[in-house]
Amino acid sequence: NAGVMQNPRHLVRRRGQEARLRCSPMKGHSHVYWYRQLPEEGLKFMVYLQKENIIDESGMPKERFSAEFPKEGPSILRIQQVVRGDSAAYFCASSPRDISPSTDTQYFGPGTRLTVL
Amino acid sequence: KQEVTQIPAALSVPEGENLVLNCSFTDSAIYNLQWFRQDPGKGLTSLLLIQSSQREQTSGRLNASLDKSSGRSTLYIAASQPGDSATYLCAVHNYGQNFVFGPGTRLSVLP
Repeated sequence: NAGVMQNPRHLVRRRGQEARLRCSPMKGHSHVYWYRQLPEEGLKFMVYLQKENIIDESGMPKERFSAEFPKEGPSILRIQQVVRGDSAAYFCASSPRDISPSTDTQYFGPGTRLTVL
Repeated sequence: KQEVTQIPAALSVPEGENLVLNCSFTDSAIYNLQWFRQDPGKGLTSLLLIQSSQREQTSGRLNASLDKSSGRSTLYIAASQPGDSATYLCAVHNYGQNFVFGPGTRLSVLP
């Protein structure tokens, strides 16, 4: 059973370009979470999605950022018109969420490291 | 709003030493608390998950405790090894919210 997969692992963009980060959850997982880790900082929650639904996007910047998790295919985190401050590691996690929340855990992917020149 | 802090921010110990990492959180209405390990340039690996009704969990040389009333958790590592060198993250799962992570403790175990 493959773990959470993210690609690309490294992404370089120039200011003003678009960045698309992809996340394939573990098999059987229907819940996806995106986190951002800025240099020398902890992980910050961005958005929580189920298939075709955004459940909680309270941690996502209102402008330039969007996320989706279509019925088929990976979850996509999209950053439009990137700026240098977007440079960070973006982690995706997945969970089955068909078990009690008290035992719920998230399985993390290896991350995508975005560098904005 | 839940806030999670971790002390110390960094720790360097000689191999073989027992050590304790601390995590504090402000809102005790949690589902669970989880300890993760993050290696440089890598993702997160779950180490231990403690449900809100539990007091501690053990896995090998690791033992995590939870005191919900005081908003604290500790991760105890016995007989540390150089391979334990990593950043250790504490994350709290709140009712109706998602995981809130602490800033981490960067551990170096010297051979």
